[in-house]
Amino acid sequence: DAKTTQPTSMDCAEGRAANLPCNHSTISGNEYVYWYRQIHSQGPQYIIHGLKNNETNEMASLIITEDRKSSTLILPHATLRDTAVYYCIVRGVNSGGSNYKLTFGKGTLLTVNP
Amino acid sequence: GAGVSQSPSNKVTEKGKDVELRCDPISGHTALYWYRQSLGQGLEFLIYFQGNSAPDKSGLPSDRFSAERTGGSVSTLTIQRTQQEDSAVYLCASSFFFQGGSVDGELFFGEGSRLTVL
Repeated sequence: DAKTTQPTSMDCAEGRAANLPCNHSTISGNEYVYWYRQIHSQGPQYIIHGLKNNETNEMASLIITEDRKSSTLILPHATLRDTAVYYCIVRGVNSGGSNYKLTFGKGTLLTVNP
Repeated sequence: GAGVSQSPSNKVTEKGKDVELRCDPISGHTALYWYRQSLGQGLEFLIYFQGNSAPDKSGLPSDRFSAERTGGSVSTLTIQRTQQEDSAVYLCASSFFFQGGSVDGELFFGEGSRLTVL
């Protein structure tokens, strides 16, 4: 699996945009970038995923660089409830092999401050 | 509820005892995963079930760990002769069969079972 690198922690002011970076310099052409988050004492929650185009849903936006070696998860208006560990994960696009498996790293602890 | 249900939510046991952790996946999900999260650590994959296929047991840390999934639905993770290093939160997730890139392969996690071995 391609590995990802994320900062250990970040802070953000409530109401401001939170921009969480992720490096995945060894990503291959058939691997997606997934983002999950884990609020304290809860199981992880899916946020968004993308291959090479930018993606947006009701939770967040995902910006992937043209060379696909890095990406940024954007929470446009962070709230206190967005305080969580955010995981950036690379996952193969094909249904074969062990691509069903998500490999979680340490993630980024985002703290949203009032 | 409609989510993944795990029980017990908390379990305290003595070293050497056996424990069983249960997972009720979302109805219709054919894939089921077990992960373990030790204090301050990331999630560690344990085992994966998909339909009637042979499970992927590659993440089980020792032969004291086993899991089964009956009738393609409920799953039980069993830890025999528990050790203190088994203390962790055990998380179960379910999903539709992963067909590659589709959001249908999104994993839905339960709240976890916190195991403490004294």
